[in-house]
Amino acid sequence: EAGVAQSPRYKIIEKRQSVAFWCNPISGHATLYWYQQILGQGPKLLIQFQNNGVVDDSQLPKDRFSAERLKGVDSTLKIQPAKLEDSAVYLCASSSRASSYNEQFFGPGTRLTVL
Amino acid sequence: GEDVEQSLFLSVREGDSSVINCTYTDSSSTYLYWYKQEPGAGLQLLTYIFSNMDMKQDQRLTVLLNKKDKHLSLRIADTQTGDSAIYFCAEPNTGTASKLTFGTGTRLQVTL
Repeated sequence: EAGVAQSPRYKIIEKRQSVAFWCNPISGHATLYWYQQILGQGPKLLIQFQNNGVVDDSQLPKDRFSAERLKGVDSTLKIQPAKLEDSAVYLCASSSRASSYNEQFFGPGTRLTVL
Repeated sequence: GEDVEQSLFLSVREGDSSVINCTYTDSSSTYLYWYKQEPGAGLQLLTYIFSNMDMKQDQRLTVLLNKKDKHLSLRIADTQTGDSAIYFCAEPNTGTASKLTFGTGTRLQVTL
């Protein structure tokens, strides 16, 4: 079974530029999550999708961050414009309702550096 | 808001036992989780415990749950160099079972 795929793995941009991250979840997983992991901290949920609908985006800075999952499969997360404090690893995860304990499967992440 | 706390760093010798501790906040959590993150990789579920259990053992791993004190621990027996990683405990957010709050993570260093 293929895992959660993310690209790119690394991205370096200057502040005020735009950047987009892509995630392809495990096939058949209806729930998709985007997390932000700042160095030395645990992951913080940015947005959660159930199929192509948003379940929770309460911690997404909506003035600069946006995310979509148009066909209920892969997803993109965009930052426009980026700030220095956006430097972090962006993790995508997916889960299936078949798991009673809601195991989340994580991709390798995209490390963003904002200069 | 929820705040899951962990100590930042633990160093043990190969072959010794490791104990990683976590304090969580929501006494109504149904499951509590331990995730492992190796360098440059995403998180991987290591083990979990249902809230009506006090202990769960899975090969070298033992999870202890003290609901009264909201304390969760992970014991790794016969720690190996391959166990070097960051360990996160996580609890579901109140009212949203699928949304997790992660602790700050404990970096386990295994020395020879």
